[in-house]
Amino acid sequence: QVQLLESGGGVVQPGRSLRLSCAVSGITLSRYGIHWVRQAPGKGLEWVGVVLYDGEIKYSAASVKGRFAISRDESKNTVFLQLNSLTTEDTAVYYCGRGDTPISGWNTGVDWWGQGTLVTVSS
Amino acid sequence: SHEVTQPPSVSVSPGQTARITCSGDSVSKQYAYWYQQKPGQAPVLVIYKDRERPSGIPERFSGSGSGTTVTLTITGVQAEDEAVYYCQSADSTSTYVIFGGGTKLTVL
Repeated sequence: QVQLLESGGGVVQPGRSLRLSCAVSGITLSRYGIHWVRQAPGKGLEWVGVVLYDGEIKYSAASVKGRFAISRDESKNTVFLQLNSLTTEDTAVYYCGRGDTPISGWNTGVDWWGQGTLVTVSS
Repeated sequence: SHEVTQPPSVSVSPGQTARITCSGDSVSKQYAYWYQQKPGQAPVLVIYKDRERPSGIPERFSGSGSGTTVTLTITGVQAEDEAVYYCQSADSTSTYVIFGGGTKLTVL
């Protein structure tokens, strides 16, 4: 059974950092990419970035490039999203999800989603 | 282009056919995906690679495309289909995954 479980969200002050985790089960990380997608309150979905199946190649959206970083610990079946220099505009529910095609590039859909973790940036 | 455009809302009566469009240069070059999201829930993939339906998704959901527009069609809409639907594509120039703004489907 495929499952993804995000954790690490919370309330953080502007300018501070936070690390989110995405623990997966039923997924072989060496075969599938993992995407991060966020949703601000009352807004639509926004792609944040992806780490590909090899664990090395990563892509991220322009809005977070240089501030957010994705990494992976395959031994722990966990993907991380490091959020630095947070602003109020980063307030959102952050979802992780599995890329729908194994051994593929960045331009996949997401076929399994976690339930999300809420990050609130506020002074 | 970095954008795909969806209508903000679509309304249909139960049993009718709902069509939600998604337009942009990227959908003519990259696959499109469609997601259903109900309040307080994570998105659910309902169509992948333009027209493929994941297992467990009812047959009334279908996808099609022509040129720079793809369409999600729900045939015989049911009350439980009321949700926000998002299309997703990709911009190969920038290597960005892009989402449409979402379409609120209201079942009258």
